[in-house]
Amino acid sequence: GQQLNQSPQSMFIQEGEDVSMNCTSSSIFNTWLWYKQDPGEGPVLLIALYKAGELTSNGRLTAQFGITRKDSFLNISASIPSDVGIYFCAGRNNAGNMLTFGGGTRLMVKP
Amino acid sequence: DTEVTQTPKHLVMGMTNKKSLKCEQHMGHRAMYWYKQKAKKPPELMFVYSYEKLSINESVPSRFSPECPNSSLLNLHLHALQPEDSALYLCASSQDRREETQYFGPGTRLLVL
Repeated sequence: GQQLNQSPQSMFIQEGEDVSMNCTSSSIFNTWLWYKQDPGEGPVLLIALYKAGELTSNGRLTAQFGITRKDSFLNISASIPSDVGIYFCAGRNNAGNMLTFGGGTRLMVKP
Repeated sequence: DTEVTQTPKHLVMGMTNKKSLKCEQHMGHRAMYWYKQKAKKPPELMFVYSYEKLSINESVPSRFSPECPNSSLLNLHLHALQPEDSALYLCASSQDRREETQYFGPGTRLLVL
């Protein structure tokens, strides 16, 4: 089955630094979603991307739908302690209606 | 309003118990989902309901039994679970099955003793 490779698996950064994470797929996706999950909570939708090449921002977050439709990245600018959590990418292709999740990026921010 | 609610937040049960997890949304969504999530792993799809009918069962053991009483509610009935079933159980909903954007509830953390 298809898989999403998400990297890095974890990041430990200083407050104020910018962060970048990405997901790649061996097959084409029509939608990319980025979620953040705090410990013991459900994933919260951050950004949804529906079109190849699309670049979307949500506050300090920016995500792009890769032009090949096989990848997406999420950037966080000027990180703050509350950015700590696990970030998941998820994609959907034409063949099925279900989301495929990446393995997650664990972000830790040092004040 | 993009809220999906789940109860209980925490549940401890023995292997012979019967319990139920509940999920509710009032966004008018017609697709609802159950996921299982182990620590440090992404959510794994269990069941999908579309227009109150079960449309996908990802080969889930019969000790998990989903139910969709109406378009706003989704239950997961648990019976004779195993310790390895301990996990965070997440409910999600979307406009319909073709709508990609899923909204998740806060989850029920289940511990099976």
